[in-house]
Amino acid sequence: DGGITQSPKYLFRKEGQNVTLSCEQNLNHDAMYWYRQDPGQGLRLIYYSQIVNDFQKGDIAEGYSVSREKKESFPLTVTSAQKNPTAFYLCASSINRASGRRSGQFFGPGTRLTVL
Amino acid sequence: GQQVMQIPQYQHVQEGEDFTTYCNSSTTLSNIQWYKQRPGGHPVFLIQLVKSGEVKKQKRLTFQFGEAKKNSSLHITATQTTDVGTYFCAGGGPGTYKYIFGTGTRLKVLA
Repeated sequence: DGGITQSPKYLFRKEGQNVTLSCEQNLNHDAMYWYRQDPGQGLRLIYYSQIVNDFQKGDIAEGYSVSREKKESFPLTVTSAQKNPTAFYLCASSINRASGRRSGQFFGPGTRLTVL
Repeated sequence: GQQVMQIPQYQHVQEGEDFTTYCNSSTTLSNIQWYKQRPGGHPVFLIQLVKSGEVKKQKRLTFQFGEAKKNSSLHITATQTTDVGTYFCAGGGPGTYKYIFGTGTRLKVLA
């Protein structure tokens, strides 16, 4: 089955610790995205990547870091510099061709991070 | 920077009534996408609109993209309990693959 996976589903960490959230897709999509969702709120873009070894900051990149070493993988690290990291983190992927063709974003099931 | 506003924030309807949510961008968009998120779940892609004035239908759902490509709407005819969830629009700007999500409209359908 093709899809996008995130692990773990629930994650608990102590304040001051860095934590890395996994995101893997086997849809052969070019672009990948990380969003943060707080209770009752919309989605805010953290980082996005169009191609391997390239990524751009979104609206709330401070305190986060990413890498895109493989087309299939786009891990997100929540660092201790992130002031309020407890949230629901969603990864997504889409087709974004150089020709301009774009598809909708396919989302993973998300990771609920709680920092104690 | 680009902002995408969505109204209303909440809507409660009786089953069988119609529902509409509106999305407005502060800048001209290249395309707009609509998503549905069930409680406790993740957003699911519904549709993408690209052309000025475009109208698309999916069964009881009708999506419109404004002539100026700055606003959009989603209309559901005769709501059902399965329509419950939060509906988000996401605007894509010209020359970028970055999307800005609207604040969402939470729909509750009373049986």
